Amino acid sequence: DTGVSQDPRHKITKRGQNVTFRCDPISEHNRLYWYRQTLGQGPEFLTYFQNEAQLEKSRLLSDRFSAERPKGSFSTLEIQHTEQGDSAMYLCASSLIGSNQPQHFGDGTRLSIL
Amino acid sequence: AQKVTQAQTEISVVEKEDVTLDCVYETRDTTYYLFWYKQPPSGELVFLIRRNSFDEQNEISGRYSWNFQKSTSSFNFTITASQVVDSAVYFCALSEGSGTYKYIFGTGTRLKVLA
Repeated sequence: DTGVSQDPRHKITKRGQNVTFRCDPISEHNRLYWYRQTLGQGPEFLTYFQNEAQLEKSRLLSDRFSAERPKGSFSTLEIQHTEQGDSAMYLCASSLIGSNQPQHFGDGTRLSIL
Repeated sequence: AQKVTQAQTEISVVEKEDVTLDCVYETRDTTYYLFWYKQPPSGELVFLIRRNSFDEQNEISGRYSWNFQKSTSSFNFTITASQVVDSAVYFCALSEGSGTYKYIFGTGTRLKVLA
């Protein structure tokens, strides 16, 4: 069990640029989640994949955000035309299928918009 | 709508003191799941415990214990004989009983254990 891996750990970019983050879940985990955490707050749900299917998207996920999990393994989260308000920690989590399986989180990608 | 409230923003204790972190939740589901996670300064959320809505039995794991009371919609977390390494932000989370099982997190309680 190598844990959930996220890359990069930190990303600094100028407003208006596009950014892409990668998440590698625990290998046997079918479920994959993306959350966003701002300073002093708890993580907020963004989107959920079961295998390669994206089954739910939060209203927080505007049209500038897109997520994929093409082969049901790693996932990417892209933000186009970044805005100041996108500055946050982006967390990825994975879990086994099962009603009460806990989610295991990666270290997150901290995005800073200049 | 589901909601988790952690009213304590920050708690400071001296090492070896006991401390209880409060969590109150709201849900209309009859089946749901509750979790506690620890977020140390490094940032990774570390799973501590899960409880389902049908299991009100309290649990103890070493210095950690959890008190789940459906009557008051609370799932409190106690650390006995706190240590400096317990310093972190602790999050309580609620998950629905079906569907995506996404988490609704509280705003967290920052625990500072002073030597």
